[in-house]
Amino acid sequence: GAGVSQSPSNKVTEKGKDVELRCDPISGHTALYWYRQSLGQGLEFLIYFQGNSAPDKSGLPSDRFSAERTGGSVSTLTIQRTQQEDSAVYLCASSPWTSGRNEQYFGPGTRLTVT
Amino acid sequence: QQPVQSPQAVILREGEDAVINCSSSKALYSVHWYRQKHGEAPVFLMILLKGGEQKGHDKISASFNEKKQQSSLYLTASQLSYSGTYFCGTEGSSNTGKLIFGQGTTLQVKP
Repeated sequence: GAGVSQSPSNKVTEKGKDVELRCDPISGHTALYWYRQSLGQGLEFLIYFQGNSAPDKSGLPSDRFSAERTGGSVSTLTIQRTQQEDSAVYLCASSPWTSGRNEQYFGPGTRLTVT
Repeated sequence: QQPVQSPQAVILREGEDAVINCSSSKALYSVHWYRQKHGEAPVFLMILLKGGEQKGHDKISASFNEKKQQSSLYLTASQLSYSGTYFCGTEGSSNTGKLIFGQGTTLQVKP
């Protein structure tokens, strides 16, 4: 079946502009996660959703970052007034959340470059 | 708190074995292992739930010592395809679904 998809695959934006990153999870997966990965670094947790609710937003770096999920499916990560330090690959993952198992399946990511 | 992985990097010849360790300072519900190849997304390898289980997948296996809050990934008879960066992700003592990933271990397998 179809995996997790993300769009756009690449985004170049000027400092100060707003950007929206989209994630389409695997159909039927109830949990959805956003991570950020800077060049050569590990995976930094941003936020996760169970259905349309976000139980944990603690990883969002600042109030410029927000995310929503609608219909228990598509999620959008919005970064307002982008800064150069926001440049990174933003990865989305989804999980079936069955029997306490939450293995995560990652999308290809969106590479964000802020100039 | 971020789990600590060791070693940071390892270079092997084909057919050699390797062990990657993941250590947490907090009680854990589960440990996940993922592999990421350069320029690609991380790929799920296995999940270990508290209870001290050990799992295997082909020549890759893992163990989870709940009391020590440690997990180890074992790669035996390594193949070129094993090259990549391995991340452990830890889930806290309750089944919240939130994973905190280690900094990664880069594995390079040479012919």
